[in-house]
Amino acid sequence: QSVLTQPPSVSAAPGQKVTISCSGSSSNIGNNYVSWYQQLPGTAPKLLIYDNNKRPSGIPDRFSGSKSGTSATLGITGIQTGDEADYYCGTWDSSLSAGVFGGGTKVTVL
Amino acid sequence: EVQLLESGGGWVRPGVSLRLSCEASGFTFSTYAMSWVRQAPGKGLEWVSGISGGGASTYYADSVKGRFTISRDNSKNTLYLQMNGLRAEDTAVYYCAKDRFYSSTCHLDFWGQGILVTVSS
Repeated sequence: QSVLTQPPSVSAAPGQKVTISCSGSSSNIGNNYVSWYQQLPGTAPKLLIYDNNKRPSGIPDRFSGSKSGTSATLGITGIQTGDEADYYCGTWDSSLSAGVFGGGTKVTVL
Repeated sequence: EVQLLESGGGWVRPGVSLRLSCEASGFTFSTYAMSWVRQAPGKGLEWVSGISGGGASTYYADSVKGRFTISRDNSKNTLYLQMNGLRAEDTAVYYCAKDRFYSSTCHLDFWGQGILVTVSS
């Protein structure tokens, strides 16, 4: 059971928008930045969003992140078949003194 | 270009030890914390361990505390994970990942390709 809670799956038709939630507590999301990672099938994870809402160079602005209190959200607009992947939120937990990830959300483009 | 190359994985029997290595290039290695993250077959990501840029501070997941030891040799730009008392539940792909900061924060901006560790009798 993961410290951070994500929905197991979301789906949408091409061109639509999806949002993925990540719920935590005051010891992790509530007091630390959140990162989001994309893992395409058979590949290593890749940083998608850092510091709650910033995109690394090369990540399209279709991907966005936000945080409010002890929850964070990843948004993907104009979804494409190439966006089919597993998405994970992650942060530091100050009480555990450990890194924590969500259980992952599988995105399917219908 | 940042590159992280893991080595040392393989198949081992329960109870034995294994040491993973991760050779880094393309950035000033000693300036950044590093982490090991694993992924069991068909499962999600699990943070395993982190170490600060200088190596003075180390952190572990409860699932490996007392069995695994993270270390680094900044003169060789190499990260290590010594795994003792391996169990079947340690079977996973192990990723080496670079942190965005000197202190371990689990904000990982570059990842290696991963290496498989299989623990089975």
